[in-house]
Amino acid sequence: NAGVTQTPKFQVLKTGQSMTLQCAQDMNHNSMYWYRQDPGMGLRLIYYSASEGTTDKGEVPNGYNVSRLNKREFSLRLESAAPSQTSVYFCASIGTGGNMNTEAFFGQGTRLTVV
Amino acid sequence: AQTVTQSQPEMSVQEAETVTLSCTYDTSESDYYLFWYKQPPSRQMILVIRQEAYKQQNATENRFSVNFQKAAKSFSLKISDSQLGDAAMYFCAYRSGNSGNTPLVFGKGTRLSVIA
Repeated sequence: NAGVTQTPKFQVLKTGQSMTLQCAQDMNHNSMYWYRQDPGMGLRLIYYSASEGTTDKGEVPNGYNVSRLNKREFSLRLESAAPSQTSVYFCASIGTGGNMNTEAFFGQGTRLTVV
Repeated sequence: AQTVTQSQPEMSVQEAETVTLSCTYDTSESDYYLFWYKQPPSRQMILVIRQEAYKQQNATENRFSVNFQKAAKSFSLKISDSQLGDAAMYFCAYRSGNSGNTPLVFGKGTRLSVIA
């Protein structure tokens, strides 16, 4: 049972380069989320997708784009990386329906460094 | 918007002792869920315990228990008989119960050290 698979685990980019972080879940969850984690800041929501075909901005969306390719996959794209985007990125998914307290399942994170 | 506050950036506890991590939250909703997540050095996010706001009884999971004070909007985590493996970052999180797709809102975390 893979759960949430996030790739890559580590990445170094030069300022101005672009890249896409991939996330896939195999739990048939409707909702998927991208967070970034910075020291002393906790996890902050970048974008989320309530269902296939929909995306919404979170707390810190600037500099990012997302695509909900299908129910399984939710990618995060940095079009022109900046040093301020150096962070650890987490993808998460949550099941929806009758059991509202369903826990969030997280990927293992991507440590991104922009130099 | 809902906010979650963890006022203790760092805590330490002696092995086998008990420690309590604090969390307060701000919301105008009556239906919501609260969580504590553990993040060890591996970066993996692990659910420790969850609490439904409509339940008066405090949740417990083995050595982990919460003190949920709904009127005070407080949700503290108590770890009993602390073990070396409990050393980690702990995040308190809130989720609205109003719809099926609301994201988790996290506090800034508390780093727990366990002293042998």
